[in-house]
Amino acid sequence: NAGVMQNPRHLVRRRGQEARLRCSPMKGHSHVYWYRQLPEEGLKFMVYLQKENIIDESGMPKERFSAEFPKEGPSILRIQQVVRGDSAAYFCASSPGQGDTGELFFGEGSRLTVL
Amino acid sequence: AQKITQTQPGMFVQEKEAVTLDCTYDTSDQSYGLFWYKQPSSGEMIFLIYQGSYDEQNATEGRYSLNFQKARKSANLVISASQLGDSAMYFCAIKTRTGFQKLVFGTGTRLLVSP
Repeated sequence: NAGVMQNPRHLVRRRGQEARLRCSPMKGHSHVYWYRQLPEEGLKFMVYLQKENIIDESGMPKERFSAEFPKEGPSILRIQQVVRGDSAAYFCASSPGQGDTGELFFGEGSRLTVL
Repeated sequence: AQKITQTQPGMFVQEKEAVTLDCTYDTSDQSYGLFWYKQPSSGEMIFLIYQGSYDEQNATEGRYSLNFQKARKSANLVISASQLGDSAMYFCAIKTRTGFQKLVFGTGTRLLVSP
């Protein structure tokens, strides 16, 4: 039973380019969360999505960042016109979404480096 | 809003000794879940243990136990018989219904286990 799959694992972009990070949740999970981890810091919540719906985007920067979780296919975190400060590890997590108990299952992260 | 405070940036312990990692939380919700995750140097997030706010018994998972003191809003992780492989970052997190079931993480504690 495959876990949460994230790709790419490592991504290098120049300033001004676009970064697209993909996340396939665990089988049977319909809830996806994106987190950002800056070097030597904890994980900061960005956005929570269910299929075709954004439930909570309170942690998303207002500009350049967007996320989607279409009916078919993986969840995508998109960063437009990247800047050096976007360099971080981006983690995706999924859950079946039953109640407020239950762990989130994390992917191995996508590490974005902006040159 | 929910908040997790981890006041120990780093902890040292000798192999085979027990260690306690501190975690305090703040929430106005009556129903919530508390989690501990381990992040080794390879970067993945590994779920360790969960405690529900209505659970009367402290959670235990192998060498991990959670010292849950609800009145003090504290959820300390106890690792017994430390092993070299326990060296990692440890994150405490809280999940609540009003928080849309997202995990809110603390800043983490780096544990170093010495031979």
